[in-house]
Amino acid sequence: DVKVTQSSRYLVKRTGEKVFLECVQDMDHENMFWYRQDPGLGLRLIYFSYDVKMKEKGDIPEGYSVSREKKERFSLILESASTNQTSMYLCASNFRVGPTNNEQFFGPGTRLTVL
Amino acid sequence: KNQVEQSPQSLIILEGKNCTLQCNYTVSPFSNLRWYKQDTGRGPVSLTIMTFSENTKSNGRYTATLDADTKQSSLHITASQLSDSASYICVVTLTGGFKTIFGAGTRLFVKA
Repeated sequence: DVKVTQSSRYLVKRTGEKVFLECVQDMDHENMFWYRQDPGLGLRLIYFSYDVKMKEKGDIPEGYSVSREKKERFSLILESASTNQTSMYLCASNFRVGPTNNEQFFGPGTRLTVL
Repeated sequence: KNQVEQSPQSLIILEGKNCTLQCNYTVSPFSNLRWYKQDTGRGPVSLTIMTFSENTKSNGRYTATLDADTKQSSLHITASQLSDSASYICVVTLTGGFKTIFGAGTRLFVKA
């Protein structure tokens, strides 16, 4: 069974704090993704990584950075949290294979509230 | 602009009834379309995948259809159960396999 875990289910931070969200997958997947999910907007891609130390900006990278030092771990960093970053954050991973084998496996999500 | 639109936004049905969720997309070049189920407090899980040449795919009581000409897909749920209460998300992938566009989802409530 594929397992994607996220470090926290719920997190409350104050404006200006530095926030780390951790994601770990145990399936040796090359690709890892960070999304945020807001009501009525669907999942929006923040950053993704296709290999260790590699990262690519997604659709909404502003205010975020990422780190992938090990294949199984992908971290999302909010350098200075703001209230508009209050959201559900979902991590996902998959293999770097053909287009029909691209199912993404998601973690349970972290609900972040910035006060 | 690449977009995936789902309807309705939410739906309430009685246990045992059937329902159909809709997905319209304007994504190009199209590679495949997946339907995901997301239970409350959990991440999405894939239900079905269809490529350009497939027009139907079943997974138990879930049947997805795809009309690549009209760029429409539907997810039909038969004999609904309380455990079907969830959000259903339509996801389209562009050729190349990397860029994916997520719909906003349909929130389904199944009542006893």
